[in-house]
Amino acid sequence: GESVGLHLPTLSVQEGDNSIINCAYSNSASDYFIWYKQESGKGPQFIIDIRSNMDKRQGQRVTVLLNKTVKHLSLQIAATQPGDSAVYFCAVDSGGYNKLIFGAGTRLAVHP
Amino acid sequence: NAGVTQTPKFRVLKTGQSMTLLCAQDMNHEYMYWYRQDPGMGLRLIHYSVGEGTTAKGEVPDGYNVSRLKKQNFLLGLESAAPSQTSVYFCASSLLGGVIAEAFFGQGTRLTVV
Repeated sequence: GESVGLHLPTLSVQEGDNSIINCAYSNSASDYFIWYKQESGKGPQFIIDIRSNMDKRQGQRVTVLLNKTVKHLSLQIAATQPGDSAVYFCAVDSGGYNKLIFGAGTRLAVHP
Repeated sequence: NAGVTQTPKFRVLKTGQSMTLLCAQDMNHEYMYWYRQDPGMGLRLIHYSVGEGTTAKGEVPDGYNVSRLKKQNFLLGLESAAPSQTSVYFCASSLLGGVIAEAFFGQGTRLTVV
């Protein structure tokens, strides 16, 4: 079946540094990709999305890169802040209707 | 705007008991979803609904039933709870699904089956 995997379960960065969180997916027909942020005790919160007809999309301090050739997705967070500490999930739309397949998550720890 | 509200927030069940988790959204969203989240794993889709009166199976539907009698509510039922159903359950909704749109999540329900 379709799978979504993250390369690192945890990532520690210094405040002010840039963070890069990676994700790999298996289905080359996937069309829509989303990054979610989940803080402790809360539900996932939408960060940014990208469609398969794009290879880069930028938001406020975040950039998502999509490499369809190697089926790889990354989230870049610029000037990481303590408030960015959370678990980050990539999710891939599986056949429409927002039936998302989630990766296991990467815990981002930001140190002062 | 409350967004997506789940009740209860915590529950402990004995094996074999039944319960219903309620999800309510006030955003007039068409699509609603139930996910479960287990340690070290991402969210897995249990069931979803593309509109009032409709439901469909997700990745892990066994042991669960759902109903969408009203557009704003999506109920998840466990008829005979098992320890394997110990998890955190999240409800989500989105305006449309065929046209991909952002999904909004509730705060979660932590269920323990003993």
